[in-house]
Amino acid sequence: DADVTQTPRNRITKTGKRIMLECSQTKGHDRMYWYRQDPGLGLRLIYYSFDVKDINKGEISDGYSVSRQAQAKFSLSLESAIPNQTALYFCATEVLGTQYFGPGTRLTVL
Amino acid sequence: QKEVEQDPGPLSVPEGAIVSLNCTYSNSAFQYFMWYRQYSRKGPELLMYTYSSGNKEDGRFTAQVDKSSKYISLFIRDSQPSDSATYLCATAATDSWGKLQFGAGTQVVVTP
Repeated sequence: DADVTQTPRNRITKTGKRIMLECSQTKGHDRMYWYRQDPGLGLRLIYYSFDVKDINKGEISDGYSVSRQAQAKFSLSLESAIPNQTALYFCATEVLGTQYFGPGTRLTVL
Repeated sequence: QKEVEQDPGPLSVPEGAIVSLNCTYSNSAFQYFMWYRQYSRKGPELLMYTYSSGNKEDGRFTAQVDKSSKYISLFIRDSQPSDSATYLCATAATDSWGKLQFGAGTQVVVTP
């Protein structure tokens, strides 16, 4: 089984809908991250968490929120989805500077 | 302007050729330099990790960092079709441990 899993893998939704992307890990790492990837822009950090009680905004947190339910689970929510949130979303864990990425969620907002 | 600039390519090379990739960065506080490889429809995976300036070699891969010119390079020798992927450079500062700044990624295609 993969160490970092993301659900769903693909999602199409409509403008204004609330959507949650989930991330689970079996690596036992305290640090977890959410990124979005857009063509030509690379990976940009949305939120990160260094432990269950620690949540921090990244460079593009507007329009997103997160929940760290346990060491192993870190969820990303779009409260009211808009088309420019169409992107590939990655969750990652980190230990000693090395990040381990999940397979990604492709989100399309119509 | 992004803190890390990387030519998106695509870069097409014949099998066996040397692939040369590079990034430039603007923040002199960056001390950690990484290259990630991303296959289509997959998440990135760490390929090389370098601290401060210098070279690091791992099999067919060599990473170079020149802090004086803020330039990061990755060389792939004897390239194989399986090296076809997007390569992303990433950097981090000591006081921003874990908060990586990524380049846009360069798509590499190695043709048989």
